[in-house]
Amino acid sequence: GAGVSQSPRYKVTKRGQDVALRCDPISGHVSLYWYRQALGQGPEFLTYFNYEAQQDKSGLPNDRFSAERPEGSISTLTIQRTEQRDSAMYRCASSLGVAGAEETQYFGPGTRLLVL
Amino acid sequence: AQSVTQLDSHVSVSEGTPVLLRCNYSSSYSPSLFWYVQHPNKGLQLLLKYTSAATLVKGINGFEAEFKKSETSFHLTKPSAHMSDAAEYFCVVSVRDMRFGAGTRLTVKP
Repeated sequence: GAGVSQSPRYKVTKRGQDVALRCDPISGHVSLYWYRQALGQGPEFLTYFNYEAQQDKSGLPNDRFSAERPEGSISTLTIQRTEQRDSAMYRCASSLGVAGAEETQYFGPGTRLLVL
Repeated sequence: AQSVTQLDSHVSVSEGTPVLLRCNYSSSYSPSLFWYVQHPNKGLQLLLKYTSAATLVKGINGFEAEFKKSETSFHLTKPSAHMSDAAEYFCVVSVRDMRFGAGTRLTVKP
């Protein structure tokens, strides 16, 4: 597609449920990144992939959060046993080249998650 | 480790007057620096980026930023604000993953 797409755009779930957030990067982009943005804050890095390999997951808050990108294209961020503190905007970005300082990241519209 | 500090959480200007959004960074390595803009209910859009070439970087919509290594700053400026510039602006430092500042909300008064 023309840009990064994310689905769903909005997700309301009950505490304790699992959620899966999807990111479809720009076609041909090698690297894919996940961020979380709390209200009134800047995006916070979670994890990223070069191709299908997860390179850095140091930003994932705890082991309830996981991400995969099995074929080097679409990625899924999964949150198990959701808690109210997980409520935030989850943003995905992709870049043409392998992740590095000079790579420009192109962001999707985000998924707004609300945990009741 | 790298980090970014945006010195103003909110800036208000009148239409037609200059804009200055301030950003200081910290990085152990030579970073790349970016400014992104976020309009209400929209995604993040790249305004401009610095990657160790010219220290004065021109971006879209008349914005520019100057990299000053001695001051570890990367302030964003625009000579004349337009109503459509009202948005949230994020300064970003990147060594590999991006570290975002907390954002500056720009308000433009008629």
